Amino acid sequence: GNSVTQMEGPVTLSEEAFLTINCTYTATGYPSLFWYVQYPGEGLQLLLKATKADDKGSNKGFEATYRKETTSFHLEKGSVQVSDSAVYFCALSVTGTASKLTFGTGTRLQVTL
Amino acid sequence: DAGITQSPRYKITETGRQVTLMCHQTWSHSYMFWYRQDLGHGLRLIYYSAAADITDKGEVPDGYVVSRSKTENFPLTLESATRSQTSVYFCASLGGAGQPQHFGDGTRLSIL
Repeated sequence: GNSVTQMEGPVTLSEEAFLTINCTYTATGYPSLFWYVQYPGEGLQLLLKATKADDKGSNKGFEATYRKETTSFHLEKGSVQVSDSAVYFCALSVTGTASKLTFGTGTRLQVTL
Repeated sequence: DAGITQSPRYKITETGRQVTLMCHQTWSHSYMFWYRQDLGHGLRLIYYSAAADITDKGEVPDGYVVSRSKTENFPLTLESATRSQTSVYFCASLGGAGQPQHFGDGTRLSIL
């Protein structure tokens, strides 16, 4: 079956620090990969996505590269801000499965001044 | 405004009662989904629908019922609520393959 593994949180960083949140996956078929972000009290918002190997998704300074050889999709940002404090979810969907998403457990990021 | 809305935002009920969570989207998206969010589990799919009158089970469907008589609405019913169904429930919609899912703001359900 399909599964997504994320690093355990919470991750606590000082403002302007470098961020990496690890994500690895297993999938039957050829998945599309996503990062969603959830701010307190809100639903999930798509942060970025990649649909094929070596694609790099990017948005709001965040980046992630689809690595088929290591089945990974790690999220990175060069300089985090307090406003980036949220829960980040890695997810995948496989073609032909009605675009159902399989989520990781989420990683809480706390950025302090 | 266009979007996806869930109601109520918060609900407290007792074990054994029936409760219905509402989801409405204004995009005429074909696909709609219900997830529950629990600490340590991320989001898990309960039910989904590919179109009006077409629904299918997800990963954790037991204890839940859905219907989709109109494209824009996808209510989720707990026929006899149990404490293990205390959770935050999210509805999402999707326009088509390759598109991102759009999520509502969630319903926080507490079952006493």
